[in-house]
Amino acid sequence: GAGVSQSPSNKVTEKGKDVELRCDPISGHTALYWYRQSLGQGLEFLIYFQGNSAPDKSGLPSDRFSAERTGGSVSTLTIQRTQQEDSAVYLCASSPSRGTDTQYFGPGTRLTVL
Amino acid sequence: GENVEQHPSTLSVQEGDSAVIKCTYSDSASNYFPWYKQELGKGPQLIIDIRSNVGEKKDQRIAVTLNKTAKHFSLHITETQPEDSAVYFCASVASGAGSYQLTFGKGTKLSVIP
Repeated sequence: GAGVSQSPSNKVTEKGKDVELRCDPISGHTALYWYRQSLGQGLEFLIYFQGNSAPDKSGLPSDRFSAERTGGSVSTLTIQRTQQEDSAVYLCASSPSRGTDTQYFGPGTRLTVL
Repeated sequence: GENVEQHPSTLSVQEGDSAVIKCTYSDSASNYFPWYKQELGKGPQLIIDIRSNVGEKKDQRIAVTLNKTAKHFSLHITETQPEDSAVYFCASVASGAGSYQLTFGKGTKLSVIP
């Protein structure tokens, strides 16, 4: 079956602009995660959605970062007023259910802030 | 919070030899330990995982061992092949803590020399 998909695969933006990154989880997966992968920090958790529960936003690095998940499926990560330190690969993962740990990752979106 | 240490950061082996990557974790509540393989330009791919009620798990040429007392777990790849060359990440999850977020090690770049 289809895996996790993300778009765009690459995004180049200018400092100060807003960007939106999209994630389509595996069909039927109720849990969705965003992670960031950067050279200096490795893979870091950003935010977690589970069904209709309030998201766990504990990993978001600043209030410029936000995410939403509409209809329990597609998710959008928004970064406002981008900074050069936001340059990284943003990865989305989904998991079958709350009680299952296994997470399946998408290919990521490489964000470059000039 | 959880901290995962991974060693070595780089590893070169001759084709056909074995490769071992080791990780330690800090949170005694952690009970799920996946390993991911990441090839250049792609998202992490789950290759094997182990839960805290098991000491060892094997899948063809790949095996993982877990020592909960010592809080460390290891990935063993036997009969390495050039296509095993990639970056490998260990991770841990403290299920039941809420978000099931993965805490990753810094990664090991494995090079298999033909």
